[in-house]
Amino acid sequence: DSGVTQTPKHLITATGQRVTLRCSPRSGDLSVYWYQQSLDQGLQFLIHYYNGEERAKGNILERFSAQQFPDLHSELNLSSLELGDSALYFCASSVDPTSNEQFFGPGTRLTVL
Amino acid sequence: GEDVEQSLFLSVREGDSSVINCTYTDSSSTYLYWYKQEPGAGLQLLTYIFSNMDMKQDQRLTVLLNKKDKHLSLRIADTQTGDSAIYFCAETLYNFNKFYFGSGTKLNVKP
Repeated sequence: DSGVTQTPKHLITATGQRVTLRCSPRSGDLSVYWYQQSLDQGLQFLIHYYNGEERAKGNILERFSAQQFPDLHSELNLSSLELGDSALYFCASSVDPTSNEQFFGPGTRLTVL
Repeated sequence: GEDVEQSLFLSVREGDSSVINCTYTDSSSTYLYWYKQEPGAGLQLLTYIFSNMDMKQDQRLTVLLNKKDKHLSLRIADTQTGDSAIYFCAETLYNFNKFYFGSGTKLNVKP
């Protein structure tokens, strides 16, 4: 158990809908990273938040957004969902951006029908 | 720093050594990592190497880094069936703001 929690574990929704994925980092960790793992594209970095502020963006679509709250949990919002958004979404946390070790949550499996 | 490549599959017999290879393109990578993902689970950090090192050994794991060829490998000695998983290599640059992962190598260990 890495100490990072993600909810829900599974999510099934329809195209065009909007969903919110939640991540709670390990106690004391200030950085949260979001990743998308799909069958055809491997693990893709989406976005990094540190202490409530966006730190870096990767291959994140405009339909996707994220935020980190004062209690340090983070949410990833996915809107206008398409079939191709079906994937595993992982968050990871680290102490701060100078730490080279990330701890991954168990992931949220999103299925868009 | 976005092109990290790995072969997709590797099959070995129990007790043999496994070597998983990875190539990357960004010469300014600072740290390179190996993660393990078991079925239905998140990624678990196995080991990492700083870019000024050539080799790092940690029990059954040996990491070799060839900076000239931008090639990273992970050797697992005495591979066990419990080592069956997907192994990802990853890189980050100095600021640790972004991490780039390969597509993963699925290791199958036959008894």
